[in-house]
Amino acid sequence: QKEVEQNSGPLSVPEGAIASLNCTYSDRGSQSFFWYRQYSGKSPELIMFIYSNGDKEDGRFTAQLNKASQYVSLLIRDSQPSDSATYLCAVKPGGYNKLIFGAGTRLAVHP
Amino acid sequence: DTGVSQNPRHKITKRGQNVTFRCDPISEHNRLYWYRQTLGQGPEFLTYFQNEAQLEKSRLLSDRFSAERPKGSFSTLEIQRTEQGDSAMYLCASSLEISYEAFFGQGTRLTVV
Repeated sequence: QKEVEQNSGPLSVPEGAIASLNCTYSDRGSQSFFWYRQYSGKSPELIMFIYSNGDKEDGRFTAQLNKASQYVSLLIRDSQPSDSATYLCAVKPGGYNKLIFGAGTRLAVHP
Repeated sequence: DTGVSQNPRHKITKRGQNVTFRCDPISEHNRLYWYRQTLGQGPEFLTYFQNEAQLEKSRLLSDRFSAERPKGSFSTLEIQRTEQGDSAMYLCASSLEISYEAFFGQGTRLTVV
């Protein structure tokens, strides 16, 4: 079992729709959770982080965390073609000073 | 705020040669990380510094890889006797001591021929 799992996609959504990206993790001691956006050929860019169960909103982005289910999600409202990228879920496992990344979900927003 | 800076951006080297990459973190960040990313995969942790101390190193990291952060500012990653399997994007990230929100540099793309 991979430590952080994401559906590779592509996830295709029409412009203006809500994109829902999901991530599960295996280490129950994980404390911090991050979403990065990566455009093709570029480095990852931090867009959201969440530490507590529940929802956290920042503009068009909402991160959701359910530690009991070991599940993190990212919602993108009013999706734009410029949101087309790979979204990486990253988890800080308990006792370690590093992030474990999933392989990413490719999102395609079409006009 | 100049962000995390990495040099060179691209490096092509022949198999068996040594290469060295440099990372300049965000100035107030104590923590510095090196990751490696291959096509279709997420970044894979290599090593971590807090100030000048190398505190964690991946068990997967070959003895051919070494990293330093001599004065707690910039860091270098050296790969000795490069192999074709070393071809990847090498990413540096930094964060404040009080958080794990890591910000990445542009990366160094290594191609071993």
